[in-house]
Amino acid sequence: QTVVTQEPSLTVSPGGTVTLTCASSAGAVTSGYYPNWFQQKPGQAPRTLIYSTSSKHSWTPARFSGSLLGGKAALTLSGVQPEDEAEYYCLVYYGGAAVFGGGTKLTVL
Amino acid sequence: QVQLVQSGAEVRKPGASVKVSCKASGYTFSTYYFYWVRQAPGQGLEWIGIINPSGDSANYAQKFQGRVIMTRDTSTSTVYMELSSLRSEDTAVYYCARGFTIFDFDYWGQGTLVTVSS
Repeated sequence: QTVVTQEPSLTVSPGGTVTLTCASSAGAVTSGYYPNWFQQKPGQAPRTLIYSTSSKHSWTPARFSGSLLGGKAALTLSGVQPEDEAEYYCLVYYGGAAVFGGGTKLTVL
Repeated sequence: QVQLVQSGAEVRKPGASVKVSCKASGYTFSTYYFYWVRQAPGQGLEWIGIINPSGDSANYAQKFQGRVIMTRDTSTSTVYMELSSLRSEDTAVYYCARGFTIFDFDYWGQGTLVTVSS
């Protein structure tokens, strides 16, 4: 069973920049794993921010961007806002099935 | 606008089955995939599986194979996820989500709490 690993927690100051990463026990994450990124706030359903590594939905704020970085999928927030405080999850695909990362709790302080 | 509205909370005893529904509106139902994802209390997200637009093919996470069945009804624009042989560890919020490709999520339902307790 493939394990997908994210930073358990990160803290960033308002207006700052932070990068969350998503690593796979199966090796380097590539575009062929179609990474998706989701934001979840307490008591709410998840919201999809990024699909297929770096594509944004119409509702995704411009300050969010997805990429590949050093063999991992990455989500970068530039110009962080207080409302970005949330849990962030990545998802990657392996041969017809998908696995979520454990999530990163982002604190804006 | 796209809406995914899920059925209400359920309580089941261990060994029973539960069927959760997800009614879609605001777009052409038969051209999109659906995923099911769950979240145990205080835990992360877990991918359960996916059903294709025509409803004739579904892929399930190995952990759930043999216990889960995903179906869809085009006449009512509704997808279903049935989980059987329930145990306490299945207590979770179950979400449906739409996929515009087999790999890419967009909209999510509001979630359905399933509680398994004797």
